[in-house]
Amino acid sequence: QKEVEQNSGPLSVPEGAIASLNCTYSDRGSQSFFWYRQYSGKSPELIMFIYSNGDKEDGRFTAQLNKASQYVSLLIRDSQPSDSATYLCAVNKDRGSTLGRLYFGRGTQLTVWP
Amino acid sequence: EAEVAQSPRYKITEKSQAVAFWCDPISGHATLYWYRQILGQGPELLVQFQDESVVDDSQLPKDRFSAERLKGVDSTLKIQPAELGDSAMYLCASSVDRGSEAFFGQGTRLTVV
Repeated sequence: QKEVEQNSGPLSVPEGAIASLNCTYSDRGSQSFFWYRQYSGKSPELIMFIYSNGDKEDGRFTAQLNKASQYVSLLIRDSQPSDSATYLCAVNKDRGSTLGRLYFGRGTQLTVWP
Repeated sequence: EAEVAQSPRYKITEKSQAVAFWCDPISGHATLYWYRQILGQGPELLVQFQDESVVDDSQLPKDRFSAERLKGVDSTLKIQPAELGDSAMYLCASSVDRGSEAFFGQGTRLTVV
């Protein structure tokens, strides 16, 4: 079983719509959760992190965490063509020898069409 | 804005040759990571440093890969000899400390021919 699972997509939404990206993780002891955006051929760019159950909003982005269900999601409101990228979910177990190691999913490719 | 610096951006090398990548983390960041990302997959950790010490190199193929961060600032990752399967993006990241959010450099795209 992979540490972090994401639907690879592709996910296609029209401009102005809400894009919903989902991620599940296997280790119940995971503590920190991150969303990175990666444009083709570029490096990952951190867009959100969340540590506590519930929602965290930053502009058009909302991260949602449900530790009981081992589920993390990212909502992008008012999607723009410039949001078209691969979104990587990453999880940090925050303990022992693995402290600091980020486990990444394969990423979900998002396309926002005008 | 502070950034993680990496060089070179692109590298083409023949198999069995040696290759090296350099990374300069954001100033003040104690933790430095080297990740490898194969096309279509998420990054995978190769090695993690806390200051000058290696704290996690369990996924580093030690028969051909080595990494150092001698003064606890910049770091070098070396591959010798390179193999065709090493073709990937090599990403350096840094964070204030272990567990904090990590910021990535531009990466080095390695092609082994």
